[in-house]
This record gives sequence, structure tokens and C-alpha cells, in this order.
Amino acid sequence: SQTIHQWPATLVQPVGSPLSLECTVEGTSNPNLYWYRQAAGRGLQLLFYSVGIGQISSEVPQNLSASRPQDRQFILSSKKLLLSDSGFYLCAWSVSAGGTDTQYFGPGTRLTVL
Amino acid sequence: AQSVTQPDIHITVSEGASLELRCNYSYGATPYLFWYVQSPGQGLQLLLKYFSGDTLVQGIKGFEAEFKRSQSSFNLRKPSVHWSDAAEYFCAVGEVDMRFGAGTRLTVKP
Repeated sequence: SQTIHQWPATLVQPVGSPLSLECTVEGTSNPNLYWYRQAAGRGLQLLFYSVGIGQISSEVPQNLSASRPQDRQFILSSKKLLLSDSGFYLCAWSVSAGGTDTQYFGPGTRLTVL
Repeated sequence: AQSVTQPDIHITVSEGASLELRCNYSYGATPYLFWYVQSPGQGLQLLLKYFSGDTLVQGIKGFEAEFKRSQSSFNLRKPSVHWSDAAEYFCAVGEVDMRFGAGTRLTVKP
């Protein structure tokens, strides 16, 4: 069966520091991968998605970037964190099946920028 | 552009009562629709999904949803709510570039 891992689970970082969040998927090949952010009391905002190694689509211009160095690894990064980067970051995966993707989510990373 | 509206930010129901969470969508083609549930501090768990076919979809934990194209709705229902159903519920539409509603927080009274 497929599983998705995210780490760290929680992170407290000072403003201006770098960020690296990692997401890995097991039990599937060539998944679509996604990064979402969930601000307090709000819905999910799609940040990035990837349909293959080195292929990244950005939904919202911002202080963050994403990379996919391996088939089942997706990394969210920032060179300098802002206060507004605080939130709950969720990674998800799906496998395209005739256009009927279903996304499955990881446990999330709680990021607090102070 | 596709979008989802969940009109109710917060709903409180008594344990054992029926539940209906509303979801309205805007989508240019045949929509792919989803309901997810999120417990505090956790990721999202898929409850059910609609791609085509029967407009009444059964999901996990006793939930069901009905797709009504004429009303652009995909409401989630449960006939008898349990205390463990207290959580945040998200409706979503789309495929790779999926769009989520803002969520409805469900509180269950004993």
C-alpha cells in the first residue's frame, strides 16, 4: 500500500532563516505531488504541483520554491522566511488514472515563523 | 475558473442527529468532486469522491454525498452523527489543480 511521509512534524524558525520541508511517497511510481498551505482558520491553498522529476508548476508567486529531485521526493524551500509563511503545510500525492486523480494527504508540518 | 463555496463556517449538531454540510462548486466541465475530513493537527482524509455515474456516492464512516448538477452542489450527509465526527470538513473540485472550499467545522454536542 502507499504511504506518504512529511518531516519535520513541527518547526519553529526565526524570520529570515531558510526552510526545507520534505515529503516522500512509498509504494507507487511516478506520482503527481503537491504542496498546500493551510493558514489558521482558512482552507487549503495549492502552492506547487509536480507531474514528474524536475517538473514544477507554481500556483502562487511567493517566497517559497519547490523541487523534485527524485521520483517520490518533493521538497519545499525558502531562502528567507517571512512571518506570513507561518501555517500548516500539507503534501499530497495522486496517480493519474484516465484523468480521475484522487489526492491523498500526508500528516502535515506545522511551521511557526517568529 | 473553478471554485468551491462552503457556506457554513461552523455547524453544531447533537450526537445522533442527522447532518448535512453544504458545498457549491463552479466548474466549466464535468466536475470531479471530493469531500475530505481533517482532525485537529492532522492531514486530510478522503471521505468520498464523485467522478461520474450514480449521483449518490457512498463513502467511509457512514457518510454519503449527492451530486446535483442543476444546483451545482455536492452536499455531504450522515443520518446519525457520532461524537468522533467532530472535525473540519473540506469540499474540493478539480483534478491536478484541485480547489478546496474554506471548510466547515463540525461540533458535536453530547
